[in-house]
Amino acid sequence: SQTIHQWPATLVQPVGSPLSLECTVEGTSNPNLYWYRQAAGRGLQLLFYSVGIGQISSEVPQNLSASRPQDRQFILSSKKLLLSDSGFYLCAWSVQAREGEKLFFGSGTQLSVL
Amino acid sequence: QKEVEQDPGPLSVPEGAIVSLNCTYSNSAFQYFMWYRQYSRKGPELLMYTYSSGNKEDGRFTAQVDKSSKYISLFIRDSQPSDSATYLCAMSATGNTGKLIFGQGTTLQVKP
Repeated sequence: SQTIHQWPATLVQPVGSPLSLECTVEGTSNPNLYWYRQAAGRGLQLLFYSVGIGQISSEVPQNLSASRPQDRQFILSSKKLLLSDSGFYLCAWSVQAREGEKLFFGSGTQLSVL
Repeated sequence: QKEVEQDPGPLSVPEGAIVSLNCTYSNSAFQYFMWYRQYSRKGPELLMYTYSSGNKEDGRFTAQVDKSSKYISLFIRDSQPSDSATYLCAMSATGNTGKLIFGQGTTLQVKP
């Protein structure tokens, strides 16, 4: 069965520090991978998605970047964090089903930038 | 106007009640509809997936889509305290998850 691992669960970082969040998927090959951010009262915002190694699409211009160095690894990064980068970050992957794609989420990382 | 509207609640019900959670949408092209359950500080979990109109049942959960009214519902029968969570609706026109639009979520509390 497929599983998705995301770490760390909680992170507290000072403003201006770098960021690296990692996500890996097991049990599938060539998945579509996603990074979402969930801010309180604002719902889920798609940040990046990737359909393959080195292929990244950015949905929103921001202080973040994403990379996919391996088929089942997706990394979210920042060179210098801003206060506004605080939020709950979710990695997700999708699988093609008969009726369409289904999206499955990791456990999330709560990022606090102070 | 947002593409997907969902009352944030909170919605508080006694254990055993029937719960109705709803979303309205404005894009008539939406055909794929999902409900996710999210516990506090956890990732959303896919509960129900429906294509086009009609009902779908899974245990105590029933998902209903009314495309003519642009309205979807999730019913929870015999609600339990463990159902206390935030419920998110999501939908897309193409079935491509890169184009999913999420509601803001409704917080549900089931009291013992």
